[in-house]
Amino acid sequence: EPEVTQTPSHQVTQMGQEVILRCVPISNHLYFYWYRQILGQKVEFLVSFYNNEISEKSEIFDDQFSVERPDGSNFTLKIRSTKLEDSAMYFCASRVQGAGEKLFFGSGTQLSVL
Amino acid sequence: AQTVTQSQPEMSVQEAETVTLSCTYDTSESNYYLFWYKQPPSRQMILVIRQEAYKQQNATENRFSVNFQKAAKSFSLKISDSQLGDTAMYFCAVGNQFYFGTGTSLTVIP
Repeated sequence: EPEVTQTPSHQVTQMGQEVILRCVPISNHLYFYWYRQILGQKVEFLVSFYNNEISEKSEIFDDQFSVERPDGSNFTLKIRSTKLEDSAMYFCASRVQGAGEKLFFGSGTQLSVL
Repeated sequence: AQTVTQSQPEMSVQEAETVTLSCTYDTSESNYYLFWYKQPPSRQMILVIRQEAYKQQNATENRFSVNFQKAAKSFSLKISDSQLGDTAMYFCAVGNQFYFGTGTSLTVIP
């Protein structure tokens, strides 16, 4: 089965630093997502991306966050100035079409902000 | 707006027995889908089953089935013949952007 690939699997950064989390969605997928999961808590929707623009974002996705699809294959999440509370597992996901289609998740990037 | 509630933080079941995980939701979408995802200790998110809200027939997938009550906004997951490999967190998700519940930690006891 095709896979969504996320790199790195673990990232440690200092508070206030910028981080970029990288994802390679499945090649024929059109819809892309970022989620985060603080340890022991639920998976939270951050943002969805379609046709090279954000289609929806949650209240978590404030001005410190941005997403980009720079080259037609990668899909990145940038956090400009990390805070301690940004420590979480970040999941990238993609699907072929919109509503109803299975969402394929990557294996996640564990971000630790010190 | 979407809200998804899973009222059972933890459950356990004996191997080979049946267990039902509950999920209730609220959504402003008129046509939507519902999903159950499994998250084992590896933290990989794995689709278990999917239900289309406009279909009255409950979805089934091998040992997994749902009881979808649209009027009550309820979407429970039944696992039959539980296996040790079913031990995981189970998340209910609703809507086009996949709003997840808080999860139920299921332990299958040998």
